[in-house]
Amino acid sequence: AQKITQTQPGMFVQEKEAVTLDCTYDTSDQSYGLFWYKQPSSGEMIFLIYQGSYDEQNATEGRYSLNFQKARKSANLVISASQLGDSAMYFCAMREPSNDYKLSFGAGTTVTVRA
Amino acid sequence: DVKVTQSSRYLVKRTGEKVFLECVQDMDHENMFWYRQDPGLGLRLIYFSYDVKMKEKGDIPEGYSVSREKKERFSLILESASTNQTSMYLCASSFTGTSGHHWGETQYFGPGTRLLVL
Repeated sequence: AQKITQTQPGMFVQEKEAVTLDCTYDTSDQSYGLFWYKQPSSGEMIFLIYQGSYDEQNATEGRYSLNFQKARKSANLVISASQLGDSAMYFCAMREPSNDYKLSFGAGTTVTVRA
Repeated sequence: DVKVTQSSRYLVKRTGEKVFLECVQDMDHENMFWYRQDPGLGLRLIYFSYDVKMKEKGDIPEGYSVSREKKERFSLILESASTNQTSMYLCASSFTGTSGHHWGETQYFGPGTRLLVL
């Protein structure tokens, strides 16, 4: 069964607008971690933001915020004030004890920012 | 800043060749990982290591082996390359962290190696 589902293969967003990337996950563990990575065309995976399952506040890092809805098993990434440099592929990932803490990745969402 | 480097950005090999992909990290991380990335499949874990000379199979180890002789270096070996191993290969590393388990904290990735097997 797919542990991480990213339903949006590709998205277009206008520069300076906000964009939300969807991520749902499947786990029966009570404790787990959720990550978002960015992969520009250069190929390197860049860590963006982390949310622990017991964190009460939604994680934020600069223009990135994570909309964590635990009951819905949803961990959407919000990028505010999009910039041309945000054009990249974005991956949601989960780490859980029952999977030996291995990172499970979604298929990714390609974001293209238009000027 | 964490620095993870991979020996090649692009590699072209012939079917049946032995292929070595090298990964080096400079942050004294205990854990190192090899993934392959294919369109529509995300990243899949091939092998990982949580200490020198230690290795564990990931989700898709078939056709691959690894070597970790030094803490900072983790090598992925394709014993006899096949066309279905054409892919993007990504190396990552992480600390074990205060949680104490081998999978540790955030994984930091190298730039990737795009391998084409003809």
